Amino acid sequence: QVQLVESGGAVVEPGKSLRLSCAASGFTFSSYVIHWVRQAPGKGLEWVAVVSYDGNYKFYAESVKGRFTISRDNSKNTLSLQMDNLRLEDTALYFCAKDFTGTYSPTFDVWGRGTMVTVSP
Amino acid sequence: QSVLTQPPSVSAAPGQRVTISCSGNSSNIGSNYVSWYQLLPGAAPKLLIYDNNKRASGISDRISGSKSGTSATLGIAGLQTGDEADYYCGTRDSSLTASWVFGGGTKLTVL
Repeated sequence: QVQLVESGGAVVEPGKSLRLSCAASGFTFSSYVIHWVRQAPGKGLEWVAVVSYDGNYKFYAESVKGRFTISRDNSKNTLSLQMDNLRLEDTALYFCAKDFTGTYSPTFDVWGRGTMVTVSP
Repeated sequence: QSVLTQPPSVSAAPGQRVTISCSGNSSNIGSNYVSWYQLLPGAAPKLLIYDNNKRASGISDRISGSKSGTSATLGIAGLQTGDEADYYCGTRDSSLTASWVFGGGTKLTVL
């Protein structure tokens, strides 16, 4: 069964850091581009970041560039998102999502249930 | 504010057909395939449609997708109460090196 399971969400103060994880199973993790996507309360989906299958290429939304770092460990089938200098507007449910074809396609075919990050004073 | 534009809500009675629109521009919908997702509270988002009009594995043939120019449409026929959910369109945006965009979501209510 193809599955993604996020963890690490918490309540943190502005300016602090947090690290999210996503555990993958049921597919060849090292062959696929993987994304982070978030949904703020009452808002729509927002793409956050993507990492290439080998971890060598990383791209970010302008809203998180310079503060968030995406990475992966193919030996452990795990994706991570290091979030530094958190802002109130980073409050959201964070999903990891698998690229459909493996190579930067427009489609995410497998998603996790998400992990909640709340940034509050 | 989302890059792609969707109506905030649509509603219809059980058994009827509903459509949800998604509008973009030449950099996103106009030059890339569109996907559609269903979001239910507490559940993982589910892929419904990819490549504009292809149903994902296991998706009912009551679900359909289309694209014309810079707009896309999701259709759901034979509405069931279980179809009540939020629906999102998504695609890539070619205006940046790597960017993916979504609509603001549409809440479907089955009356």
